[in-house]
Amino acid sequence: EVQLVESGGGLVQPGGSLRLSCAASGFTFSSYSMNWVRQAPGKGLEWISYISSSSGTVYYADSVKGRFTISRDNAKNSLHLEMNSLRAEDTAVYYCARDRVGGFSHDYWGRGTLVTVSS
Amino acid sequence: SYELTQPPSVSVSPGQTASITCSGDKLEERYVCWYQQRPGQTPLLVIYEDAKRPSGIPERFSGSNSGNTATLTISGTQAMDEADYYCQAWDTTANVFGSGTRVTVL
Repeated sequence: EVQLVESGGGLVQPGGSLRLSCAASGFTFSSYSMNWVRQAPGKGLEWISYISSSSGTVYYADSVKGRFTISRDNAKNSLHLEMNSLRAEDTAVYYCARDRVGGFSHDYWGRGTLVTVSS
Repeated sequence: SYELTQPPSVSVSPGQTASITCSGDKLEERYVCWYQQRPGQTPLLVIYEDAKRPSGIPERFSGSNSGNTATLTISGTQAMDEADYYCQAWDTTANVFGSGTRVTVL
């Protein structure tokens, strides 16, 4: 069974940093590209970052470019998101999501981890 | 940046057909997928590559994409289909979600 479990969320002050992780199991992690998607309270989905299976290609939404860094450890079946210079508008539930083979859509999602940026 | 536009809400009677649109410039040139998100739940992929259904998704869900508009159609809508629906498409180096449509089954 495919499982994605996010961790690392919490309360952080504006300007602070946080590192999210996503533990993957039930599939060959190294064969799939992965993403981070967030959802602010009561709002819609926002894609924020993509990483290819080999880490050779990464993309970011303009809203997080230069502040967030996506990475993965295929040996440990884990995905990470390093978040710096956090702002109130970064408050959201952060989901990790697996791309279908062939890409273009996310076929499995974790349950998410809540990040709250507030003083 | 690329934008996808969805109507904020759609209402449908049980057993009737609900159609949710997603508009974007030359959208037919991109693959569109659709997600269902019930309250308090994780998004669920219901349509990928414009019109394909993942395993386990009921046949009443169908999709199309032509011109500037993609459409998710729910035939014979059931109460369990009440949820938010999001379209998504790739724009070269960024993935884009539509703003979402709340489907209410009256």
